[in-house]
Amino acid sequence: SQQGEEDPQALSIQEGENATMNCSYKTSINNLQWYRQNSGRGLVHLILIRSNEREKHSGRLRVTLDTSKKSSSLLITASRAADTASYFCATLTRGDDKIIFGKGTRLHILP
Amino acid sequence: EPEVTQTPSHQVTQMGQEVILRCVPISNHLYFYWYRQILGQKVEFLVSFYNNEISEKSEIFDDQFSVERPDGSNFTLKIRSTKLEDSAMYFCASSQGLAGVYEQYFGPGTRLTVT
Repeated sequence: SQQGEEDPQALSIQEGENATMNCSYKTSINNLQWYRQNSGRGLVHLILIRSNEREKHSGRLRVTLDTSKKSSSLLITASRAADTASYFCATLTRGDDKIIFGKGTRLHILP
Repeated sequence: EPEVTQTPSHQVTQMGQEVILRCVPISNHLYFYWYRQILGQKVEFLVSFYNNEISEKSEIFDDQFSVERPDGSNFTLKIRSTKLEDSAMYFCASSQGLAGVYEQYFGPGTRLTVT
């Protein structure tokens, strides 16, 4: 698998439900970040979690990081139509200065 | 809140032409980056730039690409002779310091279409 692979590739849920997206990676990381991208638009930084952190919250977002399993999850609670977008995890490998993005999860919130 | 800006938002060019994509990073940032995203694919790192020189570049960033910070505020990406496969969204990013410590802030992107 590639660095920063999200799962699932696509997810459709009803408005109000919680959405969970997962990310797996291969190398030792310094930090992991989640970004949102609306169709054809720019990247919006959502949250950064460092390798020594296990969980982080920001509003309706909750990110977990398990460095032993080399995985992270992004939970969006009480989803809204405006949450419809692609979500990418991005990792920073130790010793590097570049972010490696995954292929993303396309989230669709149904009304 | 300060933000990274990019111009133009959309550039259409013919194959073989030179293009320059412009970015204005956040003013107190020191590290600058270009990434690209081919339609439907993931965002890929191109190059990082610090202290007026390239600090790292990917395999994609070949001799056709160059970067410059000509006047202390703009950060440009030049593609000398564009190819069809250069069609993509190009994102500029900047940060106060190394990515391990500081967040990278992304611009809205320039959509490059090569015909």
